Amino acid sequence: AQSVAQPEDQVNVAEGNPLTVKCTYSVSGNPYLFWYVQYPNRGLQFLLKYITGDNLVKGSYGFEAEFNKSQTSFHLKKPSALVSDSALYFCAVRDDEDKLSFGAGTTVTVRA
Amino acid sequence: KAGVTQTPRYLIKTRGQQVTLSCSPISGHRSVSWYQQTPGQGLQFLFEYFSETQRNKGNFPGRFSGRQFSNSRSEMNVSTLELGDSALYLCASSFQGGDTGELFFGEGSRLTVL
Repeated sequence: AQSVAQPEDQVNVAEGNPLTVKCTYSVSGNPYLFWYVQYPNRGLQFLLKYITGDNLVKGSYGFEAEFNKSQTSFHLKKPSALVSDSALYFCAVRDDEDKLSFGAGTTVTVRA
Repeated sequence: KAGVTQTPRYLIKTRGQQVTLSCSPISGHRSVSWYQQTPGQGLQFLFEYFSETQRNKGNFPGRFSGRQFSNSRSEMNVSTLELGDSALYLCASSFQGGDTGELFFGEGSRLTVL
């Protein structure tokens, strides 16, 4: 079975500091991995995806994610966090039935 | 290009009632997926429709159903509502679904069951 885990419920960082949101996955074949962000009372917005190719994927709003096959991880990163990055972040993996399975989500709070 | 539109945005029902939620996808998108979001269970996949056919279904009871029309608009219905059905129901569209993975979400319909 395909699954994705986000080990941290919350991440707190100061504005201007690096931000990392962790994600690990478990799939039977090649992983198709995604990050989405949800702002309060809004739907999810796509940030980036890894299908194949370079392990470092660049996405929207200055975010990037690093695919690490040996560690089965797909951590989301941003070099310098903004207060406006405060939101709920979801990692997702596509399963063999073409469904997206989402992690539990990580709440990011960036303090000024 | 207009985004995914979900109606109604908020609704309150009582146990035993039924509810119908509507989703209008982005123009040209043929795949519509539905998700239930709750604080305890996170995002749970309900079903996906593509060209009026249900392509995938999650692990929800038969009280949850859906359909898609020829213009790609989709509805989901929940019958015999239970307290545990209180949730944010999110609709997402994509051109064809599958491994492109990039879903475009609506803002959701927040259902409260009393």
